Amino acid sequence: AQSVTQPDIHITVSEGASLELRCNYSYGATPYLFWYVQSPGQGLQLLLKYFSGDTLVQGIKGFEAEFKRSQSSFNLRKPSVHWSDAAEYFCAVGNNAGNMLTFGGGTRLMVKP
Amino acid sequence: NAGVTQTPKFQVLKTGQSMTLQCAQDMNHEYMSWYRQDPGMGLRLIHYSVGAGITDQGEVPNGYNVSRSTTEDFPLRLLSAAPSQTSVYFCASRAQGAVSNQPQHFGDGTRLSIL
Repeated sequence: AQSVTQPDIHITVSEGASLELRCNYSYGATPYLFWYVQSPGQGLQLLLKYFSGDTLVQGIKGFEAEFKRSQSSFNLRKPSVHWSDAAEYFCAVGNNAGNMLTFGGGTRLMVKP
Repeated sequence: NAGVTQTPKFQVLKTGQSMTLQCAQDMNHEYMSWYRQDPGMGLRLIHYSVGAGITDQGEVPNGYNVSRSTTEDFPLRLLSAAPSQTSVYFCASRAQGAVSNQPQHFGDGTRLSIL
């Protein structure tokens, strides 16, 4: 069975500082990996996705993520955080059939001025 | 372009009542799904559909029914609400085809409280 772990429930960073959100997955085959962001009272917006090829993927809003098969990780990074990045972030793994997404528990990001 | 529309946005029910959460999409997407979001647990898949007339169970289907009579609509039914079903419910859709090219689109959610 596929699963996702996001070890950090809450993270606080200062505006302008760098950010890394951790994600570890479990999946038997080559995974489809996603990062979503959720602002309060909103649905989920796709930040980026990984299916194959280059292990460093670029997303929207200046985010990037690196797939490391040996560590079963797909960590999300941003070099300089903006106050508008405060939100909850979810990592997810999808099965090859495309009919099931399994989400991690989420990481809530707070940004200090 | 409305995308995925969920109604209502908020609802309070008493234990044992029935209710239907509505989901409609205007993108002609074949694949639709329902998730519930609970604190610290991310989103969990309840039911999904790969096209009109076809539905299947996800990770947490008990207590919920679905049907898919049209491509646009995918309602979620609670036949006898229980307090454990208090949650935020999200509907999502995506086009068929290669998963790599077809991201899921999410609605804004329905916040449901069962007393």
